[in-house]
Amino acid sequence: GESVGLHLPTLSVQEGDNSIINCAYSNSASDYFIWYKQESGKGPQFIIDIRSNMDKRQGQRVTVLLNKTVKHLSLQIAATQPGDSAVYFCSGTGFQKLVFGTGTRLLVSP
Amino acid sequence: DAGVIQSPRHEVTEMGQEVTLRCKPISGHDYLFWYRQTMMRGLELLIYFNNNVPIDDSGMPEDRFSAKMPNASFSTLKIQPSEPRDSAVYFCASSGGKGEKLFFGSGTQLSVL
Repeated sequence: GESVGLHLPTLSVQEGDNSIINCAYSNSASDYFIWYKQESGKGPQFIIDIRSNMDKRQGQRVTVLLNKTVKHLSLQIAATQPGDSAVYFCSGTGFQKLVFGTGTRLLVSP
Repeated sequence: DAGVIQSPRHEVTEMGQEVTLRCKPISGHDYLFWYRQTMMRGLELLIYFNNNVPIDDSGMPEDRFSAKMPNASFSTLKIQPSEPRDSAVYFCASSGGKGEKLFFGSGTQLSVL
């Protein structure tokens, strides 16, 4: 079956550094990927998405990279700020239901 | 739009009691999802509906859990009887189409004593 997992449970960075959060998936049929951000006490919120016909997509301070060959995607956050501290989830579609991993916690220290 | 609305925000109950969680999806969204979040297992999909019809309930832990969607603007998740291991945050989410991004509610923090 499909699975989506995260490499690191916690990532600690200094304010102003760039952050990279990684995610692996197993189902080669996945054709759409989404990154969500979950702040404490809130539900996950959409950040950025990418379709399988692309390998890179940029937003404001965030970039998602997709490597279909190794079934890997990453979320890059430029100039990380304290407000970026949260749990980040990747999710994949292309099959019956969305699958989430346990998330990666990003801790930003001043 | 107010987004996905869940109630109650917090629920504390005693083991054996019935618990009902409520959700109002975003107007016009055809898909509604119920998730459970714990530290150990992360976000788990319990059940999802399309046009008010349950499509996949394979994530529902056991018969104590049931979900309904009587109309396009309301869904309930019921646990009867509740057990301490049901303690978690329960999220409802909706989306405008199959495979589209989800919009989550603020969740219900359930504590079963």
